[in-house]
Amino acid sequence: QQQVKQSPQSLIVQKGGISIINCAYENTAFDYFPWYQQFPGKGPALLIAIRPDVSEKKEGRFTISFNKSAKQFSLHIMDSQPGDSATYFCAASNDSSNTGKLIFGQGTTLQVKP
Amino acid sequence: DSGVTQTPKHLITATGQRVTLRCSPRSGDLSVYWYQQSLDQGLQFLIQYYNGEERAKGNILERFSAQQFPDLHSELNLSSLELGDSALYFCASSVGDRANYGYTFGSGTRLTVV
Repeated sequence: QQQVKQSPQSLIVQKGGISIINCAYENTAFDYFPWYQQFPGKGPALLIAIRPDVSEKKEGRFTISFNKSAKQFSLHIMDSQPGDSATYFCAASNDSSNTGKLIFGQGTTLQVKP
Repeated sequence: DSGVTQTPKHLITATGQRVTLRCSPRSGDLSVYWYQQSLDQGLQFLIQYYNGEERAKGNILERFSAQQFPDLHSELNLSSLELGDSALYFCASSVGDRANYGYTFGSGTRLTVV
């Protein structure tokens, strides 16, 4: 119930292509869904986040699509660039639980080829 | 520099030993979180402190303990170390007590138990 399942584990995309990473959750109490980006040797950094009352959120080349009924959400990276090569983590939390605990997916290693 | 400072960056120690990892949160942030990142387990939540009080606990081993001090810095103590404790330990901070305030992660402490 507390898991967030992320796929694929790794992804190779050509420069200019679209990268798509998917996540699924079970706990319907989750109400906040962020994506974090991690470069080697660094800590994860918040990329974009969404709440379940919104089906899509776009920030620049990054878009989150959210399907509440399917309990799934995905990250789309448009016009992928070599600088986007990193590990991406989806996560979920229950903000009404009075904690800031995040449950993270296993991560997706993205490689964008020039 | 994310503003979250973790020391030391690297630590090599023997089984059975005890170590202390230190985290200074970003200025103004009241919450401190500790996560363990290993290759097979991803990012696992250990514990959250908010303004000096424990707010949430994850699957933190009894050999591990943490505290947040009045100046808001935090320490994670790991004792009776085992080989399996080798991992990256991340500290994150946020201004509020919920995940939707957004975490800022430090660069981590890489612990190697030999």
